[in-house]
Amino acid sequence: GNSVTQMEGPVTLSEEAFLTINCTYTATGYPSLFWYVQYPGEGLQLLLKATKADDKGSNKGFEATYRKETTSFHLEKGSVQVSDSAVYFCALQSGYALNFGKGTSLLVTP
Amino acid sequence: GAVVSQHPSWVICKSGTSVKIECRSLDFQATTMFWYRQFPKQSLMLMATSNEGSKATYEQGVEKDKFLINHASLTLSTLTVTSAHPEDSSFYICSARSRLAGPQDTQYFGPGTRLTVL
Repeated sequence: GNSVTQMEGPVTLSEEAFLTINCTYTATGYPSLFWYVQYPGEGLQLLLKATKADDKGSNKGFEATYRKETTSFHLEKGSVQVSDSAVYFCALQSGYALNFGKGTSLLVTP
Repeated sequence: GAVVSQHPSWVICKSGTSVKIECRSLDFQATTMFWYRQFPKQSLMLMATSNEGSKATYEQGVEKDKFLINHASLTLSTLTVTSAHPEDSSFYICSARSRLAGPQDTQYFGPGTRLTVL
């Protein structure tokens, strides 16, 4: 079946540090891949997505590249801000269903 | 655009009572709505998929008679937790998919409803 594995948190970084959150997946066929973000007290928001191999999704300085050869979709940001503190979920979609990873909590300190 | 609301945002109820949670797509028509459950520090687990005008499809292990889902219109789906017990306490999240998009389109999520059963 389909599954998503992402690195365990929490991740604590200083402002302006480089961020990587690893995500790997197992799926049949060619799923779409997503990163969702959940800010404290809010619902999930789509951060970025990629629908085919080698696609790069980007938004708000975050990037992730769909790597079919390594079945990965790692999230990166060159310089994090305090406002990026949130929980980040990697997900894959095959058909209608979304399969989520367990989420990675990120805390950015001033 | 693509806003999904949930009501209530939080609810506390006594054991044995039933609770209804509403999910609305505010500015688009949703062919399909999804209900998820999220435990603390855990991922979202899909409970059921709801298509307008038809019966919901439940994931394995989800009790149909306990979690009643109604998708009466293209903008409204409801989840009723019947005879709630403390173990039903969780964060319930809905999402909606636009009827105009293909199967690989984006799901838009509601803000969630925190249910606490005493």
